[in-house]
Amino acid sequence: EVQVVESGGAFVQPGGSLRLSCAASGFTVSTKYMNWVRQAPGKGLEWVSVIYTGGSTKYADSVKGRFTISRDNSKNTIYLQMNSLRTDDTAVYYCTTKDLLLAPFDNWGQGTQVTVSS
Amino acid sequence: DIQMTQSPSTLSASVGDRVTITCRASQSIVSWLAWYQQKPGKAPKLLIYKASTLETGVPSRFSGGGSGTEFTLTISSLQPDDFATYYCQQYNSLLWTFGQGTKVEIK
Repeated sequence: EVQVVESGGAFVQPGGSLRLSCAASGFTVSTKYMNWVRQAPGKGLEWVSVIYTGGSTKYADSVKGRFTISRDNSKNTIYLQMNSLRTDDTAVYYCTTKDLLLAPFDNWGQGTQVTVSS
Repeated sequence: DIQMTQSPSTLSASVGDRVTITCRASQSIVSWLAWYQQKPGKAPKLLIYKASTLETGVPSRFSGGGSGTEFTLTISSLQPDDFATYYCQQYNSLLWTFGQGTKVEIK
C-alpha cells in the first residue's frame, strides 16, 4: 500500500528554522514527483515545492530562497528545510505524490502542523 | 501563474439534492484538472482527474466535466458523507494551483 507519513512540525519563532520529513512506504520516492502542499488555518490549499524524479526541484514564489526540498533514497524519505520562517508560513504541511507531471496529487499524508509565532 | 476561481464559495443543500460546483481557469488548461474532497482535520482526497475521470473507489454520483477554462463537479444525489469542502486544481502548467474551495453545507 502506498503511504506517506509526515513529521517534524513544531512551534517556532519568526526567523527560525525547521525541517519536515516525509517517510514513504509501498513505493520508492525516486520514482514519483514528491511534493509539499500547505494549508493555512481556515484557508485553501497552496502547492509549495516539488522534487522531480530526476532530482530537480521547484518552489512557489512565496517560499523561494527560504525553503529547500531534498530526498534521501536510502531512507526513502523526502525533506523540507524551512529557513527564515514567517508568521504566514503557519500551516498544516502535507506530503503528496504525483506519478507524472501531467497527473494529479494522488496520495496524501495526514499532515504536520507548523506554527510560527512570537 | 494560472488562477483558479471556484463558485460558489459556499453551497447549502439537502440530502438527495443535485449540486454543481464550477471552476474557471485564467487560461486554457485543456483537461488537466483535478477535484479533491476535504473534510475537517483530514487530508484532501482525490475524486476526479483529467477533468472527468473518476478515481478508483469514488462513488459514481460524482462526475466532472468541461475543458479549456470552464469545469464542473456534479454530485447527482447528495449523501450525508458528501458534506465537505471541494477544491479544483490545475496541473497544466509547471506551477500547480488550486481553487479557493467550495464548502458544501447542510441546508
